[in-house]
Amino acid sequence: DAGVTQSPTHLIKTRGQQVTLRCSPKSGHDTVSWYQQALGQGPQFIFQYYEEEERQRGNFPDRFSGHQFPNYSSELNVNALLLGDSALYLCASSPRTGGGYTFGSGTRLTVV
Amino acid sequence: DAKTTQPPSMDCAEGRAANLPCNHSTISGNEYVYWYRQIHSQGPQYIIHGLKNNETNEMASLIITEDRKSSTLILPHATLRDTAVYYCIVRFRDNYGQNFVFGPGTRLSVLP
Repeated sequence: DAGVTQSPTHLIKTRGQQVTLRCSPKSGHDTVSWYQQALGQGPQFIFQYYEEEERQRGNFPDRFSGHQFPNYSSELNVNALLLGDSALYLCASSPRTGGGYTFGSGTRLTVV
Repeated sequence: DAKTTQPPSMDCAEGRAANLPCNHSTISGNEYVYWYRQIHSQGPQYIIHGLKNNETNEMASLIITEDRKSSTLILPHATLRDTAVYYCIVRFRDNYGQNFVFGPGTRLSVLP
């Protein structure tokens, strides 16, 4: 049973560009959450999706947007990239009914 | 903000028990205590969770005080592979309007 799959694993972008990160949740999970983790810090919550809608959002600007598809997979989009957006981006899935999160291995984004 | 406080770092000798404390003095009656760990540059890994009673699984034991204001994660025989950042999180079990809020965690170093 595959866990949470994220792609790509690494990415280098230039300031001002746009990026899309992808996440496939664990089988049986319908809720996807995204986190940003800067070096040396704990993961920071970006937003959560279920039923194809953003349900909860952390303290991130609207340059960060997302989408959830009918098969529960999800995308994170970041526009107008800043150097400070360089981080590990983590996707976590969970069942809507509750329980713990299963995290993917993350996408390492470097903005130059 | 995270509802837990943990020591920033701890050392443990290989083969000995590692006891990681967590304070959650404002925990409410229906909130669970979850523990995750993150090995360098990987996604957080679920360890264990509990509500009131002590819990044990193949990875660790969780001891929750009777007043539920603190808990201790115990790794009974620490190995070098247990070196990681350990996060203690409290939240309701279901996902309705909730997300995992990570603090800075405890960096555990298992020494040979």
